[in-house]
Amino acid sequence: GAGVSQSPSNKVTEKGKDVELRCDPISGHTALYWYRQSLGQGLEFLIYFQGNSAPDKSGLPSDRFSAERTGGSVSTLTIQRTQQEDSAVYLCASSRQGYNTEAFFGQGTRLTVV
Amino acid sequence: GDSVTQMEGPVTLSEEAFLTINCTYTATGYPSLFWYVQYPGEGLQLLLKATKADDKGSNKGFEATYRKETTSFHLEKGSVQVSDSAVYFCALSDTQPGGAAGNKLTFGGGTRVLVKP
Repeated sequence: GAGVSQSPSNKVTEKGKDVELRCDPISGHTALYWYRQSLGQGLEFLIYFQGNSAPDKSGLPSDRFSAERTGGSVSTLTIQRTQQEDSAVYLCASSRQGYNTEAFFGQGTRLTVV
Repeated sequence: GDSVTQMEGPVTLSEEAFLTINCTYTATGYPSLFWYVQYPGEGLQLLLKATKADDKGSNKGFEATYRKETTSFHLEKGSVQVSDSAVYFCALSDTQPGGAAGNKLTFGGGTRVLVKP
């Protein structure tokens, strides 16, 4: 596609349920990032992928959060046993490999835990 | 650790007014600096960037100069339009050329700008 695609755009889930968020990066972009945008915390880095490996997972807030990337393309962010504080907009970005290459962002998935 | 501080909004202006959004940073290395913009209903977009001291990034009439001595990267536009209404984020990337850590971004809290006709 022309840009970074994220699905679903909105997700409402009950506390304690698991959710999966999907990111489809721009074709040819080997770097992929997940960020979280919440009212109290602003925009926070979660995890970085280079190809299928994740050399930087330092932003994942707890072991309930995990992510994978397959085929050097689509990535899935999974949140287990969701809590109300997980409510946020989850943003995905992709870029070409290289120093300070431009990151292109998707429109995000708005997650609401009720 | 790295951090970015930017002025809180909302900032409300009339069309053709001068806009300044202050941004300061702390970083352990020699970061690259960015301004991203989020228009209503759209995703984050890169507005401009600067990668070394005294560099000036510019785009769409916006400018920002990398000031290492004051650790600042203030965004300015001389004459704003209604279409500039958006949320603006200052950010830094503290990675090194050839490094394996990627170009993860540390963002400021965002500044909402509303331009009235």
